[in-house]
Amino acid sequence: RKEVEQDPGPFNVPEGATVAFNCTYSNSASQSFFWYRQDCRKEPKLLMSVYSSGNEDGRFTAQLNRASQYISLLIRDSKLSDSATYLCVNHLSGGYNKLIFGAGTRLAVHP
Amino acid sequence: DAGVTQSPTHLIKTRGQQVTLRCSPKSGHDTVSWYQQALGQGPQFIFQYYEEEERQRGNFPDRFSGHQFPNYSSELNVNALLLGDSALYLCASSLGLNRNQAQHFGDGTRLSIL
Repeated sequence: RKEVEQDPGPFNVPEGATVAFNCTYSNSASQSFFWYRQDCRKEPKLLMSVYSSGNEDGRFTAQLNRASQYISLLIRDSKLSDSATYLCVNHLSGGYNKLIFGAGTRLAVHP
Repeated sequence: DAGVTQSPTHLIKTRGQQVTLRCSPKSGHDTVSWYQQALGQGPQFIFQYYEEEERQRGNFPDRFSGHQFPNYSSELNVNALLLGDSALYLCASSLGLNRNQAQHFGDGTRLSIL
């Protein structure tokens, strides 16, 4: 089983739609998670952190469910500029600072 | 405030050659991690350097080696290149090890092996 698993998509949604991605992780001792966004042929950029019960940033909401070992990302009122690949990341710390990435979920927002 | 910088941006090599990629961390950061991202995949952790020592290593062969300099910059060396080494190589910097610090990525070096 992969350490971090994501549905690769693509998710094709119209502008204004609400879309949600899920991600599962295998290490039950994992403490923190991130969502990164990656545009085509660009570097990953931090979208938001996910700690304890999750958090919200504008149109973006991330939730963490420790019992089921999954995190989610909800995007409301999708914009064309939201089109990208969204990477779910498990952050391992404790003597090191290591990121375990999922393969990414591709989102395409169309007019 | 300079972000993470990597060089070169693109590189073409042939099988069996050796390559060196370079990374300068974001100002104020002291830890450098290297990742390999194959097409259609998420980045895979190669190794991490802190205080000029390799602190953690992913599942990569010994052909992949690195170095960190006193100014915190880092190099990734790959020997005996294989076709499968074609990928985007990303450098990420952060501050310290035992902290929940987000890693900041450079633009990457796109390596193509012919």
